[in-house]
Amino acid sequence: DQQVKQNSPSLSVQEGRISILNCDYTNSMFDYFLWYKKYPAEGPTFLISISSIKDKNEDGRFTVFLNKSAKHLSLHIVPSQPGDSAVYFCAASAVGAQKLVFGQGTRLTINP
Amino acid sequence: ETGVTQTPRHLVMGMTNKKSLKCEQHLGHNAMYWYKQSAKKPLELMFVYSLEERVENNSVPSRFSPECPNSSHLFLHLHTLQPEDSALYLCASSQDKSETETQYFGPGTRLLVL
Repeated sequence: DQQVKQNSPSLSVQEGRISILNCDYTNSMFDYFLWYKKYPAEGPTFLISISSIKDKNEDGRFTVFLNKSAKHLSLHIVPSQPGDSAVYFCAASAVGAQKLVFGQGTRLTINP
Repeated sequence: ETGVTQTPRHLVMGMTNKKSLKCEQHLGHNAMYWYKQSAKKPLELMFVYSLEERVENNSVPSRFSPECPNSSHLFLHLHTLQPEDSALYLCASSQDKSETETQYFGPGTRLLVL
């Protein structure tokens, strides 16, 4: 039973355009959400997070949106750059759970 | 050296072998984690250590045995593994075990069990 789902295994976007990565979750107890980015042969690195008390968090070119009623979050990258090509993981946690639950990842390719 | 390091980076072992994966963090963190990533599956948490005490064991088979001798080092001892245990094993650390703390990952050990 997968509690965090990234239904698109891959996404291809033109350089300079907006990349939108989506994530759905089923556990209504989740209250903290994160995005991690992973390059080949490296471990995931933290990108951006959002608490359930907010519906948007922005950091430079990266914005995460949270829709609690739909149990859906998305990561927007604008403008997309070639260096953004990586696998992006969505993760969620619940207060006191002491652990993150990850999605399967979406491979983003930015085309020049 | 900074961040989280893992050795070896690649490991091939037979089902009767015993091997160990090593993780070291140079960040002064108090919590360390082992994750498993199988092909086309999400990252799965295996173990959590906080201040050298195991606080989470996510129903992992006993053929995986973690050890945390101090807050900077974490080992995963492997014995009599199965081919389906072939995966990428990632170590991570965070300042403490709070779910809101950012986890810093090592590069992983890619394990192949023959």
